[in-house]
Amino acid sequence: QSALTQPRSVSGSPGQSVTISCTGTSSDVGAYDFVSWYQQHPGRAPKLMIYDVTQRPSGVPDRFSGSKSGNTASLTISGLQTDDDADYYCCSYAGTHTIFGGGTKLTVL
Amino acid sequence: QVHLQESGPGLVKPSETLSLTCTVSGGSISSYYWNWIRQSPGKGLEWIAYIHYSGTTKYNPSLKSRVTMSVDTSKNQISLRLNSVTAADTALYYCSGGYYNGKLDNWGQGTLVTVSS
Repeated sequence: QSALTQPRSVSGSPGQSVTISCTGTSSDVGAYDFVSWYQQHPGRAPKLMIYDVTQRPSGVPDRFSGSKSGNTASLTISGLQTDDDADYYCCSYAGTHTIFGGGTKLTVL
Repeated sequence: QVHLQESGPGLVKPSETLSLTCTVSGGSISSYYWNWIRQSPGKGLEWIAYIHYSGTTKYNPSLKSRVTMSVDTSKNQISLRLNSVTAADTALYYCSGGYYNGKLDNWGQGTLVTVSS
């Protein structure tokens, strides 16, 4: 199956907001409210930032928020900080398996 | 906090079988679904499979014919076997504990596997 579609890169200045999109199909993103987002710094394991489309795990700042409309999910990061500079991956349940997006490189200028 | 440690041979020959183990500590193996995810050098994440301690397993459709997962509750270990490997299977392999729906709360540090003769 094909990966979910994400922009290869996005950028923003400290204090600004950015939104990363994740487009799937009616069989994955559009079918279930089970979209999660992961942050990965170089050389580190991924970290769960959002699950079930909008939920934040304990310890994740409320600057991170998730949403979904139809077959597209989005991650918004407000009040950008230098530590947000990382790769971000969306992930969706697809009924019988799980599928990741191709990843987005966020550069905080 | 659950701690996960992946282990296995760093080098596997083409056409052979890749075998990895994930040892779980600090938590019960019955608490989660256990996933394997891989990341080819410089590439994105690819979900491989999950297993529940009850034995329920699900596999990535593109890898299903080559993958087997198992769980050993007595040793608190999860295993992955991937047969008929090629260079395309060279990757950092992560073990992760979470749920069946992609909510992956805990991750190991990963183990690098290179497929080469």
